[in-house]
Amino acid sequence: GEDVEQSLFLSVREGDSSVINCTYTDSSSTYLYWYKQEPGAGLQLLTYIFSNMDMKQDQRLTVLLNKKDKHLSLRIADTQTGDSAIYFCAERALTGGGNKLTFGTGTQLKVEL
Amino acid sequence: DVKVTQSSRYLVKRTGEKVFLECVQDMDHENMFWYRQDPGLGLRLIYFSYDVKMKEKGDIPEGYSVSREKKERFSLILESASTNQTSMYLCASSPRGGQAGDFGPGTRLLVL
Repeated sequence: GEDVEQSLFLSVREGDSSVINCTYTDSSSTYLYWYKQEPGAGLQLLTYIFSNMDMKQDQRLTVLLNKKDKHLSLRIADTQTGDSAIYFCAERALTGGGNKLTFGTGTQLKVEL
Repeated sequence: DVKVTQSSRYLVKRTGEKVFLECVQDMDHENMFWYRQDPGLGLRLIYFSYDVKMKEKGDIPEGYSVSREKKERFSLILESASTNQTSMYLCASSPRGGQAGDFGPGTRLLVL
């Protein structure tokens, strides 16, 4: 079955880069996603990458995918206090009819001044 | 800019009560999902539906049921609430063959 893992916490200083890592197990993954959850809110889609890509950049966000190692990362450049949130990676696999997303445990990012 | 709404932000119920959580989306999406979110466990899929009157069990369906009578509405039912169902419940929707889900703001349920 699918399994997605993330570290639980990350603390960075304002202005530094943050790198949030994720590993997954389902080799049939088609899309991989990063969501952001601010306190008391639902999940907001930040970015995604198709499984045949290895990198995607979107303003301050860079997604790197190592398909061989099943490793996904999200780099946030020039991290700001507004980036403090929980970040979830998720995979969409062909199992479950391709409709199902499997989420990681979430990484709590804390940005310190 | 209403997309996915959930009927309550906070709910307090007693053990044994029947609980209804409602989710409505206005994007004409085929797929709808119910997740629960618990610290250290991330989001776990309870049930999903890929069409009206269709439902599929997710990873943790025990103690829950769902109803999808109309395309825009997906209800999660706790037949007899228990304290271990205290959690944050998140609803999401996505188009058929679409990518990620659009999420509602969540319902924080406390079962006493």
